[in-house]
Amino acid sequence: AQTVTQSQPEMSVQEAETVTLSCTYDTSENNYYLFWYKQPPSRQMILVIRQEAYKQQNATENRFSVNFQKAAKSFSLKISDSQLGDTAMYFCAFMNFYGGATNKLIFGTGTLLAVQP
Amino acid sequence: EPEVTQTPSHQVTQMGQEVILRCVPISNHLYFYWYRQILGQKVEFLVSFYNNEISEKSEIFDDQFSVERPDGSNFTLKIRSTKLEDSAMYFCASSRTGIDTEAFFGQGTRLTVV
Repeated sequence: AQTVTQSQPEMSVQEAETVTLSCTYDTSENNYYLFWYKQPPSRQMILVIRQEAYKQQNATENRFSVNFQKAAKSFSLKISDSQLGDTAMYFCAFMNFYGGATNKLIFGTGTLLAVQP
Repeated sequence: EPEVTQTPSHQVTQMGQEVILRCVPISNHLYFYWYRQILGQKVEFLVSFYNNEISEKSEIFDDQFSVERPDGSNFTLKIRSTKLEDSAMYFCASSRTGIDTEAFFGQGTRLTVV
């Protein structure tokens, strides 16, 4: 069974600084997706960034980038130039890719990030 | 921008009562999901639904749970006889296709069983 581990329950960063959130996962599969979802206070989870396991290049989306280390089964999220609006719970998630009807997500426990002014 | 909506945002129910949690997925989406998060624990997959039937369910999704798409727009999760341990945040999600990997989530319903 796949598992996702986020070892940092809470983190804090100063506005405009850079922060890295850690995530490790365990799987015996070779084809899969990894995601970071953001859940602001009292709002729905939204997708921040995704990575296909078969792609060696790390995904980036504006200020958000990942460091995907497939052999180490590590998938960290780097947020550059942190903004107050980045304050949220961040979930790392795993999805098997087998093209079937079900694309269920397996989540970590989340990291609560607070951006300080 | 289209979004998944869930009602109610918070529901308190007595142990043993039936509850129905409601979700309106994004209109052109075909795949629907329920997840739950017990306070302080992981978000866990419950069930996925496609073409008016369950496509996968977890071991949590026992006979007390059922899902339905009664009218082509709503997607409901029913818990027949609630237990204290059913207290959790329940999230509905939808995706456009099975290979479209982005799931869109609702804000969640906080269920408190007393």
